[in-house]
Amino acid sequence: GAGVSQTPSNKVTEKGKYVELRCDPISGHTALYWYRQSLGQGPEFLIYFQGTGAADDSGLPNDRFFAVRPEGSVSTLKIQRTERGDSAVYLCASSLSSGIPYEQYFGPGTRLTVT
Amino acid sequence: ILNVEQSPQSLHVQEGDSTNFTCSFPSSNFYALHWYRWETAKSPEALFVMTLNGDEKKKGRISATLNTKEGYSYLYIKGSQPEDSATYLCARDGSGNTGKLIFGQGTTLQVKP
Repeated sequence: GAGVSQTPSNKVTEKGKYVELRCDPISGHTALYWYRQSLGQGPEFLIYFQGTGAADDSGLPNDRFFAVRPEGSVSTLKIQRTERGDSAVYLCASSLSSGIPYEQYFGPGTRLTVT
Repeated sequence: ILNVEQSPQSLHVQEGDSTNFTCSFPSSNFYALHWYRWETAKSPEALFVMTLNGDEKKKGRISATLNTKEGYSYLYIKGSQPEDSATYLCARDGSGNTGKLIFGQGTTLQVKP
């Protein structure tokens, strides 16, 4: 079956611009996660959705970052006034649910470069 | 903050060698430990999810063990092949039951033919 997809695969933007990153989870997966991987580090948690609601957004670095999942499926991560430090690979993952340690299935990521 | 540490940071081995990596994590309030393999330009692939102290899991030539009391997990690869070249990530559930993962920085394995 189809896995988690993310678009675009690469995004180059200028400092100060707004960007949107899209994640299509596996059909039927109610839990959706966003992570960010900076060079030389492991992925870092950003936000977690259970259904349509953000159950935990404690990893969002500041108020320039926002994510939505209006219909409980596709999610969009939005970054306002991008900074060079936002350059990273943004990963999306989905799982059947939470509460039990289900495997998280990851997408291939979006590589964001802020120039 | 639950720091997850992996060692070594990188590893170069010859084809046919067996190898192992370490993941260490705070043992308090443990819920689950995940191992992933991440090949360049691909999605991270789940290898194992482990929950019980003493767990041992195996998938082909790859196996993992878990010690929740002392806070470590080992990943073993028997008879490494060039296609095993990847970054291996471990992650701990950070908050009990939400699936929020706290990752280590990864171990990058290069297997030379």
